[in-house]
Amino acid sequence: QSALTQPASVSGSPGQSITISCTGTSSDVGSYNLVSWYQQHPGKAPKVVIYEGTKRPSGVSDRFSGSQSGNRASLTISGLQAEDEADYYCCSYAGSGTWRFGGGTKLTVL
Amino acid sequence: EVQLVESGGRLVQPGRSLRLSCTTSGFTFGDYAMSWVRQAPGKGLEWVGYIRSKAYGGTTEYAASVKGRIAISRDDSKSIAYLQMNSLKTEDTAVYFCTRVGPWAAGSTTFDYWGQGTLVTVSS
Repeated sequence: QSALTQPASVSGSPGQSITISCTGTSSDVGSYNLVSWYQQHPGKAPKVVIYEGTKRPSGVSDRFSGSQSGNRASLTISGLQAEDEADYYCCSYAGSGTWRFGGGTKLTVL
Repeated sequence: EVQLVESGGRLVQPGRSLRLSCTTSGFTFGDYAMSWVRQAPGKGLEWVGYIRSKAYGGTTEYAASVKGRIAISRDDSKSIAYLQMNSLKTEDTAVYFCTRVGPWAAGSTTFDYWGQGTLVTVSS
């Protein structure tokens, strides 16, 4: 049960857009349109920003968007703001009441 | 307002047992599945286990890394989920988060609410 693959870090300037990729397998990402993305600031609990691949919870900025195709999912943040600097984790349902997380991506806003 | 509050984390010696609690409020606990996720110091998130609501049998699933050493249970009358950890190893040192599986009571797969976490340190 390997973790999903994410880049260790990404960066962007305020106002720019960035995309974080998440690669899984046909046993997880590829089998279910059920990838969620979590934002975690230092010392805080994670917070869901995208669920079921493309859905945005109430209260989450529309600058966050998600997509999914095959074994790959992506999180795009547009109009980068300083407050977006955080760690981001993808997570895929893997069937039978099990989940897999990605290794996490550190977003730096330059 | 949905709230989840973990408790029970502490320093414990290898090989010992520990039970964590997740006290919830603000939603009908018995209708929802719950899950535990952990984060070792400076590391990423790791899914640990899951318990279905009683409507779906209240059955459990566990990650391979902890299977056989942990048990998740729930007390719907008190709106509390538990994580029993046995034969603790140094590699179990982590912050343990309790999460609700939502946003719906059935068919959901998102960890939509999280507690603040409780630190378990396994060391001699």
